[in-house]
Amino acid sequence: ETGVTQSPTHLIKTRGQQVTLRCSSQSGHNTVSWYQQALGQGPQFIFQYYREEENGRGNFPPRFSGLQFPNYSSELNVNALELDDSALYLCASQLIGAPGANVLTFGAGSRLTVL
Amino acid sequence: AQSVTQLDSHVSVSEGTPVLLRCNYSSSYSPSLFWYVQHPNKGLQLLLKYTSAATLVKGINGFEAEFKKSETSFHLTKPSAHMSDAAEYFCVVSPTNFGNEKLTFGTGTRLTIIP
Repeated sequence: ETGVTQSPTHLIKTRGQQVTLRCSSQSGHNTVSWYQQALGQGPQFIFQYYREEENGRGNFPPRFSGLQFPNYSSELNVNALELDDSALYLCASQLIGAPGANVLTFGAGSRLTVL
Repeated sequence: AQSVTQLDSHVSVSEGTPVLLRCNYSSSYSPSLFWYVQHPNKGLQLLLKYTSAATLVKGINGFEAEFKKSETSFHLTKPSAHMSDAAEYFCVVSPTNFGNEKLTFGTGTRLTIIP
């Protein structure tokens, strides 16, 4: 059983650029969530994808968007990067519809620095 | 609405002494509560969870937590600290067991173990 893997692990962008972060879910999981963790803070919910549809969204602007693919992998896209987007982006997967559905398995994250 | 307050941003204990990390929560529902641990460059790992069964919950690595509804608390304890326990700990609340609701994280408590 593989865990959640994310890529890239680190990246640096400049203001105004666009970034795509990728996530492979744990085997057997059907749902992916993305969280943003700013330095010294707890993770903040960005959105969740279930059956390739957005299934809930936190307080993030539309320039944060996502995709879930038929194999349950996922992408997080951020357009028009701002300095405050610098953070660790965490992907988490889970199996909705099964016992313990609210237990998430997290990846190690992608650390984004915006200059 | 739901929220979590971790009462200490930083806790230092000597190796072999007890650990207490404090968490208070607020939720409009009968919540699920979790403790996650984050080691540097590692993903968030679930320590334990409460989902309306026994109020004293045992987790991995000797950690346990007690759900006290009257005090709206979910403090994390361990009888004897080990050097490997040094990490960031997050108290987390979810309004349901179903997995389709976002997790709300506290701001974290950094645990330092003194040799």
